[in-house]
Amino acid sequence: NAGVMQNPRHLVRRRGQEARLRCSPMKGHSHVYWYRQLPEEGLKFMVYLQKENIIDESGMPKERFSAEFPKEGPSILRIQQVVRGDSAAYFCASSPDLSLNEQFFGPGTRLTVL
Amino acid sequence: KQEVTQIPAALSVPEGENLVLNCSFTDSAIYNLQWFRQDPGKGLTSLLLIQSSQREQTSGRLNASLDKSSGRSTLYIAASQPGDSATYLCAVYNQGGKLIFGQGTELSVKP
Repeated sequence: NAGVMQNPRHLVRRRGQEARLRCSPMKGHSHVYWYRQLPEEGLKFMVYLQKENIIDESGMPKERFSAEFPKEGPSILRIQQVVRGDSAAYFCASSPDLSLNEQFFGPGTRLTVL
Repeated sequence: KQEVTQIPAALSVPEGENLVLNCSFTDSAIYNLQWFRQDPGKGLTSLLLIQSSQREQTSGRLNASLDKSSGRSTLYIAASQPGDSATYLCAVYNQGGKLIFGQGTELSVKP
């Protein structure tokens, strides 16, 4: 059973471009969580999704950020018009069932905005 | 609002020493608590998950305890090795499933 997969592992964008980060959960997992780790800061929750639904987006910046988890395919975290402050490591985690609560993390995508 | 604090922020010990990392949380209404390891520039490796009804979990040289009433958890590492050098993160599961992380303890084990 493959673990949580994220791609790309490293992404470089210029200011104003769009960044798309992908997360494929573990097989059988229908819950996906995105976290962001800014330089010299801890990991912060961004958004929690189930298939085709956003459950909790309380940690998402109000503008430029969006997330989806379609019926087919990976979860996507999309950042429009990136700024230097978006440079961070973005981690995805998945879990099979909310009641079990254990989340399994992917290797992360490191976004650098020039 | 749940806040998670880890003390110390950094720790350097000689190889072979037993050590304790501390984690405290402000809201005792947690579901589970999990300890992770993060190597520089890498992802998170899960070490131990303690369910809210449990008091401790053990895996090899690692032992984690949980005291919900006092809002504390400790991670005990026995006979530390240079390969244990990493940042150790404590995280609590709140209602709704999201994880609240501490800032981490950066551990360095000197040969």
